[in-house]
Amino acid sequence: GESVGLHLPTLSVQEGDNSIINCAYSNSASDYFIWYKQESGKGPQFIIDIRSNMDKRQGQRVTVLLNKTVKHLSLQIAATQPGDSAVYFCAERGWNSGGSNYKLTFGKGTLLTVNP
Amino acid sequence: DGGITQSPKYLFRKEGQNVTLSCEQNLNHDAMYWYRQDPGQGLRLIYYSQIVNDFQKGDIAEGYSVSREKKESFPLTVTSAQKNPTAFYLCASSATNEKLFFGSGTQLSVL
Repeated sequence: GESVGLHLPTLSVQEGDNSIINCAYSNSASDYFIWYKQESGKGPQFIIDIRSNMDKRQGQRVTVLLNKTVKHLSLQIAATQPGDSAVYFCAERGWNSGGSNYKLTFGKGTLLTVNP
Repeated sequence: DGGITQSPKYLFRKEGQNVTLSCEQNLNHDAMYWYRQDPGQGLRLIYYSQIVNDFQKGDIAEGYSVSREKKESFPLTVTSAQKNPTAFYLCASSATNEKLFFGSGTQLSVL
């Protein structure tokens, strides 16, 4: 049967601090990565994406860093606000097992809590 | 929710019953997807469709069925064969094989 894991990695920060959320991906051939934010009971919202030919990309208050050598992705949130409290998860794009189509694989996520 | 509408928000299924979750998009996206989310887990792909009248099984298709008769609509039926249907179901669409846009989800519970 299925196992249900309830223990997400958590990060607790003070309002105004910078947050860094990490993600280890599995496929060295993945060519595109996305970060999503999901608030409780809602669907995931797109935050930022990056292609494998880049190592850094900046958005509004967010920066994504990609280290292909160690297959690591991070999301940095500047001046974290209470409204940033949510689960953040990464996704990587690679080919499906048949090699006929791209497939997105999602991580389990990190719960960010911002304390006022 | 940016043009993807899922309904209902909450759904209850009795044992042996089939239930259908609705997903409609007005983004003119070709590709649509259904994911299942369990607490503390990553999203798992149930079915996807790259074009009208065509769909493919994802990683956990057993006990589910879909149809794609219109570009805008991709309903998911949770059949009685799915023995553990309690989960949060997410529909998404994409214009390319890149970022997905998600609906607000349907929480399915078993009575």
